[in-house]
Amino acid sequence: EVQLVDSGGGLVKPGGSLRLSCAASGITLSNAWMSWVRQAPGKGLEWVGRIKSKTDGGRTDYPAPVKGRFTISRDDSKNTLYLQMNSLETEDTAVYYCTTERRDSSGWYGGADYWGQGTLVTVSS
Amino acid sequence: DIQMTQSPSTLSASVGDRVTITCRASQSISTWLAWYQQKPGKVPKLLIHKASILENGVPSRFSGGGSGTEFTLTISSLQPDDSATYYCQQYNSYRTFGQGTKVEIK
Repeated sequence: EVQLVDSGGGLVKPGGSLRLSCAASGITLSNAWMSWVRQAPGKGLEWVGRIKSKTDGGRTDYPAPVKGRFTISRDDSKNTLYLQMNSLETEDTAVYYCTTERRDSSGWYGGADYWGQGTLVTVSS
Repeated sequence: DIQMTQSPSTLSASVGDRVTITCRASQSISTWLAWYQQKPGKVPKLLIHKASILENGVPSRFSGGGSGTEFTLTISSLQPDDSATYYCQQYNSYRTFGQGTKVEIK
């Protein structure tokens, strides 16, 4: 069974950096498309980036609010996904989840079928 | 960027009612749409992918439909366990979530 364990959250000052980790079991991350999704307190879900599988080129993509500040990477030897967050702003305060993306029969990826338990990032002075 | 708009924001209905949530995309996304259910304090759960395909184990009272820019999530007979917030998400181009629809039981 696929299990994702998110960690690394905490309190950080505006302008600071933090690296989140997502340790996976039951799945080989290098073969998967993975996304990070966040949820600010009392708010909805927001996609913050994706990394494609190694065979699909490993490309990363980000939405405008985090582009240039957030970076997704993988350590295949540890089967762990990372989210490096720099220049953090108070608006980045949220629970961050790593997710796997399901692959359908046509080979298209989309739909987050497994989720980590989330890790809380609080950006405050 | 593709924007996703859900309606209504909140819905209150009785057990046994048929309820429908609508999700509109700012441009065509074919059928590259997922629906999620999130209960308070819990991780979101994928209910439907490709607009209408139910995930394993999801009760058959849930159904999804639509294509292009307009989509629906229908619960044919609302149950107490369905009290939750529901989100749509497009994955035609990058990914975008709708703002959510809170379903309450009267």
